[in-house]
Amino acid sequence: KAGVTQTPRYLIKTRGQQVTLSCSPISGHRSVSWYQQTPGQGLQFLFEYFSETQRNKGNFPGRFSGRQFSNSRSEMNVSTLELGDSALYLCASSLGGAAGGQETQYFGPGTRLLVL
Amino acid sequence: AQSVTQLGSHVSVSEGALVLLRCNYSSSVPPYLFWYVQYPNQGLQLLLKYTSAATLVKGINGFEAEFKKSETSFHLTKPSAHMSDAAEYFCAVTSRRGTSYGKLTFGQGTILTVHP
Repeated sequence: KAGVTQTPRYLIKTRGQQVTLSCSPISGHRSVSWYQQTPGQGLQFLFEYFSETQRNKGNFPGRFSGRQFSNSRSEMNVSTLELGDSALYLCASSLGGAAGGQETQYFGPGTRLLVL
Repeated sequence: AQSVTQLGSHVSVSEGALVLLRCNYSSSVPPYLFWYVQYPNQGLQLLLKYTSAATLVKGINGFEAEFKKSETSFHLTKPSAHMSDAAEYFCAVTSRRGTSYGKLTFGQGTILTVHP
């Protein structure tokens, strides 16, 4: 089975721009979670989508948004980029079944975003 | 709310020595606990997880961890370190609660260095 894929792998943007990152989960997985990783704040949960619905959300401003498509692929969007948005953005997929939190999340390689 | 504390941001061991990475958690409900490893420029890979079955959990690459409820700990160990174990390790917690769906709460990470 192919793993979680994320595109693009690297991205450079300037302040004020917006960016869209894409995540393709493992085949058969219906849950996609997004995380931001920075040296200062570590790994922080952004949001989770299951069956095209946002099921859970972390403490990030409204500039961070996401969506999920019927094939479970997910995108996240950051509008009005700030310098502090420079980070590695990781997505993870899981089956999303009734087992809830005990399911393993499988991570993609991440998209490294640099905001200048 | 749930939280994880990893004691020691850097741990250095000699090849062949015992590896001990410490993780303490805080959770008001029964937790699910995970250890992930991250190699440079890669995503996170699951080492092992505790989901309320056996308290001693064996994972990949010779790692294991023991869930100790009385100490709220889930320390990661490996009897003999290899050079290839050099990486950053993350402890994470979640729960069965709906508010935790898709959400892993991570510790700050421990960078493991292995000396020849």
